[in-house]
Parts: sequence; structure tokens; C-alpha cells
Amino acid sequence: DAGVIQSPRHEVTEMGQEVTLRCKPISGHNSLFWYRQTMMRGLELLIYFNNNVPIDDSGMPEDRFSAKMPNASFSTLKIQPSEPRDSAVYFCASSQQGVGANVLTFGAGSRLTVL
Amino acid sequence: DAKTTQPNSMESNEEEPVHLPCNHSTISGTDYIHWYRQLPSQGPEYVIHGLTSNVNNRMASLAIAEDRKSSTLILHRATLRDAAVYYCIRRPGGSNYKLTFGKGTLLTVNP
Repeated sequence: DAGVIQSPRHEVTEMGQEVTLRCKPISGHNSLFWYRQTMMRGLELLIYFNNNVPIDDSGMPEDRFSAKMPNASFSTLKIQPSEPRDSAVYFCASSQQGVGANVLTFGAGSRLTVL
Repeated sequence: DAKTTQPNSMESNEEEPVHLPCNHSTISGTDYIHWYRQLPSQGPEYVIHGLTSNVNNRMASLAIAEDRKSSTLILHRATLRDAAVYYCIRRPGGSNYKLTFGKGTLLTVNP
């Protein structure tokens, strides 16, 4: 398995632009998580899905952020409009719910810079 | 709120054992203890987890106190590749699948 695949790996954009981050979870995994990491705040859980359904989006910072999971093999995290404070590394992770203790496998991350 | 307490940083020498402590004094009976690590410029990776008994795998050992209020991740022979931030996390039992990461422990391994 290729693991959790995220794209793009790096994104530089200007304030006000729309940003879309993509994630392909491990095949067979039915839970998907979006995290954001900054030096100041560490790793923060933004939202997670079970069986393509958003379960907890309490970590989504504001209405500018939205996440979708149209099918079991694809998810997007969108920021519109982007702001400099959104600059961070965004990680996607997936797991197999109900198996063992729900071990997460993380992608390599998408580093976002908003100028 | 990760509800675990770890030292900010630790230092070790290559080839020596490393004991990374974690306090989770408010742990409930159904909470798992997970350890992840994050190598520089990479996403976190799973290391080990346990519930009550000590656990061993190819990466590390996990020693869990009898009262479950603390645990220790043991790297038997540290290598330079083990330099990373190590996160100790309580994973609630039941249907809550969230993993909340704290600040972790930055492990430095000296050659």
C-alpha cells in the first residue's frame, strides 16, 4: 500500500485566494482525520470522518474552512479565502475503525504558505 | 486537551536505552495509551499502544504502571534515527476515535 497520499506537498498562495488540499486514505480504512500543525499550537485536530460522514468538526477554526469526503478514497480540505495565519502544515490521517485501538497512519503533509 | 504530561525534552546517547515518561493521572479504565513519534519534516508515525499490560514490538516497549496513571516508552538502543518528538496520547475507549496530541517530548540522540 502506498500509504496516505496528500497533495500538494507544498503550496504558496496569496491572501484571499482559495486553497484546496487533497487526501487519499489507505484503502479499506473507514476513518479519516485532518490535522493542522504550527509551531505555536502544535498538532490540532480539525475534523474527522467515519464512513465518509463528518463526525466532529469542532476543531475547524472558522467558516473559511470546509472539508468534504465524497467517497471512501478521497477527501478535501478547502480554505476560502485564505489568510496568512492559515500558514501551517496540514496532515491527513486514516485508520480502520473498530479494529484494535484505532492506530492512525499519517500522510507526509501539505505545507501551506499564505503571503 | 491531551490530558497527558511529558517532559519537553530529553537527551540520550547513541546505543544507550532511553526511557520516555508520561503521566496520565486522570486516565479512565477504557482509555488506551498510544505513543506516536514525529521525525523531522515528516508526519507522525505510530510507535506502540497498550491498555493495561506491558507491550513490546519491533520499535519499542511500553511499560504501564499498575495504577495506569503513568507509562514509559522504552527504546532499547537509541540510534540517530530515533531523534524525534514523541507523543504520549490517551485514546478514549468506545466510539470516540479522536487522538488529541500534546506538545510531546523532543528526543535528541548524541552520536
